[in-house]
Amino acid sequence: GAVVSQHPSWVICKSGTSVKIECRSLDFQATTMFWYRQFPKQSLMLMATSNEGSKATYEQGVEKDKFLINHASLTLSTLTVTSAHPEDSSFYICSAGRGASTDTQYFGPGTRLTVL
Amino acid sequence: GQSLEQPSEVTAVEGAIVQINCTYQTSGFYGLSWYQQHDGGAPTFLSYNALDGLEETGRFSSFLSRSDSYGYLLLQELQMKDSASYFCASKAAGNKLTFGGGTRVLVKP
Repeated sequence: GAVVSQHPSWVICKSGTSVKIECRSLDFQATTMFWYRQFPKQSLMLMATSNEGSKATYEQGVEKDKFLINHASLTLSTLTVTSAHPEDSSFYICSAGRGASTDTQYFGPGTRLTVL
Repeated sequence: GQSLEQPSEVTAVEGAIVQINCTYQTSGFYGLSWYQQHDGGAPTFLSYNALDGLEETGRFSSFLSRSDSYGYLLLQELQMKDSASYFCASKAAGNKLTFGGGTRVLVKP
């Protein structure tokens, strides 16, 4: 199968601090990973597309300076929420496909961020 | 832009059949995916339709009509464990997914 992991699974931080979330493809290489945000009882909203070895592509309305994405290898992408505020509290989920443009996306277990 | 509409909630009893409809308005449409998500969990892939017609996977089936910009997910022989949210998602270039609002399915004994 295709397994995607995320770390940490949950994090609580103080307002103004930065939080890093890791997304790993465990048994396949992923040239592209995606980051989503999901508020309670709402749908998944695509934040950005993470490309290995190049800059991420952000969706309209997503602040690239606030949500820093790094895709340093074919199995790891990181999302850093900088200077987090309570309104950034959400469920952050990553996904990855195995490469083909039509391949199924496999989702990580998600990271629940709570900013106090 | 991309938009997908699906009902917000459906309630049914164990053993019943539920159909979740999804209409979409998207550009660069490759196909329609369906995902299941239990509370607090990650989305789990259920099915993908790139071509018109019905795809059957066990108790779940999915249908797509490109000419009608419409698809549905059919849940048969409902079980309590099927209580979850179900999302349709359109696939575009670059493997990007745009999700519908989700349908919360509540299965009652």
